[in-house]
Amino acid sequence: GAVVSQHPSRVICKSGTSVKIECRSLDFQATTMFWYRQFPKQSLMLMATSNEGSKATYEQGVEKDKFLINHASLTLSTLTVTSAHPEDSSFYICSARDQLAGFQGGDTQYFGPGTRLTVL
Amino acid sequence: DQQVKQNSPSLSVQEGRISILNCDYTNSMFDYFLWYKKYPAEGPTFLISISSIKDKNEDGRFTVFLNKSAKHLSLHIVPSQPGDSAVYFCAAIVTGTASKLTFGTGTRLQVTL
Repeated sequence: GAVVSQHPSRVICKSGTSVKIECRSLDFQATTMFWYRQFPKQSLMLMATSNEGSKATYEQGVEKDKFLINHASLTLSTLTVTSAHPEDSSFYICSARDQLAGFQGGDTQYFGPGTRLTVL
Repeated sequence: DQQVKQNSPSLSVQEGRISILNCDYTNSMFDYFLWYKKYPAEGPTFLISISSIKDKNEDGRFTVFLNKSAKHLSLHIVPSQPGDSAVYFCAAIVTGTASKLTFGTGTRLQVTL
C-alpha cells in the first residue's frame, strides 16, 4: 500500500522555540494532506486540511498563526508549531490522500507514523 | 461535540473468541464509515469500511455491520488473535467533503491467551 512518512518521529524542544514536522507521501501524489493531533487516550482530532498550492483550512479552535502549514509540493506538507508551549505537547499525525484513487472508500487516506512532540 | 462515539474504552477477549467493538454516531449526514487499527506511537492503519447503502461488509476475519436507523455500527473480529490487540477507531465521513474523517474515541482491545 501507499506509504506516508513523517519526520522527525520524536522531538523535544524548549518552550518558546518553533518545531517543524514534515509529512511526505512516498509513492503517490497528494493534493490534500491532513494534520491530526492526539492527546493520550483520546481521539484523533483534525487540526487542518492542507491543500497543495493554496492556504490550509483550519478546524474551529485551531490557531492558524500558531500551527503554520505549508503544502509546497504534491508530496510534502509541513506543520510548524511556533512558539511552542508545554500544552502543545502531543502526538501529531498526518495523512495524505491519493489524488488518483478518487473516493474508493477506506484506503484513500494513508496515515503517517506520527510525531511525538514534547515541549519542556 | 463528539459526533462519533465509542462508549467502551477497553475490551478484553480470549483468543479464538469473537471481539465486538461498537460505535455510535449522531450526524445523519455521514454516509461512509471506516475502522482503523492503531498501535502506540504509530499512525492508524485502515481495516475495513462500509457505505451507508450497505448493512454489512466482510473481509476475512473482520465484519462491519451498520444499522442506519440506530446510527450504530460494529466491528466483529472472529476468531480473535493476540496480534489483534490494539486500539480500534471508528471513523465517519460525509462523502464530497474533501475526505474529512471524524474519529471516535477509540476502544483498546486486549486479546488474551
